[in-house]
Amino acid sequence: KQEVTQIPAALSVPEGENLVLNCSFTDSAIYNLQWFRQDPGKGLTSLLLIQSSQREQTSGRLNASLDKSSGRSTLYIAASQPGDSATYLCAVINSNSGYALNFGKGTSLLVTP
Amino acid sequence: DAMVIQNPRYQVTQFGKPVTLSCSQTLNHNVMYWYQQKSSQAPKLLFHYYDKDFNNEADTPDNFQSRRPNTSFCFLDIRSPGLGDAAMYLCATSRAGHGNTQYFGPGTRLTVL
Repeated sequence: KQEVTQIPAALSVPEGENLVLNCSFTDSAIYNLQWFRQDPGKGLTSLLLIQSSQREQTSGRLNASLDKSSGRSTLYIAASQPGDSATYLCAVINSNSGYALNFGKGTSLLVTP
Repeated sequence: DAMVIQNPRYQVTQFGKPVTLSCSQTLNHNVMYWYQQKSSQAPKLLFHYYDKDFNNEADTPDNFQSRRPNTSFCFLDIRSPGLGDAAMYLCATSRAGHGNTQYFGPGTRLTVL
């Protein structure tokens, strides 16, 4: 059974800092890995999707990497802003499970002015 | 804008009183999903539709059912809500095929009294 773990569970940084969020998964047989953002009481916004054959994806100040063999992904946020405050979730789709996203519990990020 | 819409955003029901949550999409995607997210937990897939084909996750309680009358709409029916069913219910859609991005609606927060 795929287990997705995110460390740390919560993170507080001052505005302007670069930061890294970590995601690990136990079964490396995945189709892809996706990073989402969730604001309090809201739905999920897709940030980046990395296919299993890719090593990284970039969008603006965000960069996600994937090391499938070691079961790890990182989300790098450059020059953090208070508007980045949210919960960040990673999720994988297993190769043998079809469509289900297997989520971690998320990292709650607070960027202070 | 093409999007995933969920109604209502907040739903309060009484213990044992049936409730229906609604999802619609303008993306014309083949696949629609229902996830359950309890407080401080990871979202968990309940079931999904590939066109009209219904796919139930093995551990989804019998209390939960779904209908998809057409491409645009999908409903989640909870026949006899218990206190443990209080959660955020997230609808998502994607194009057919493994590894495609899932797009989420804003969610419906269900409270059971």
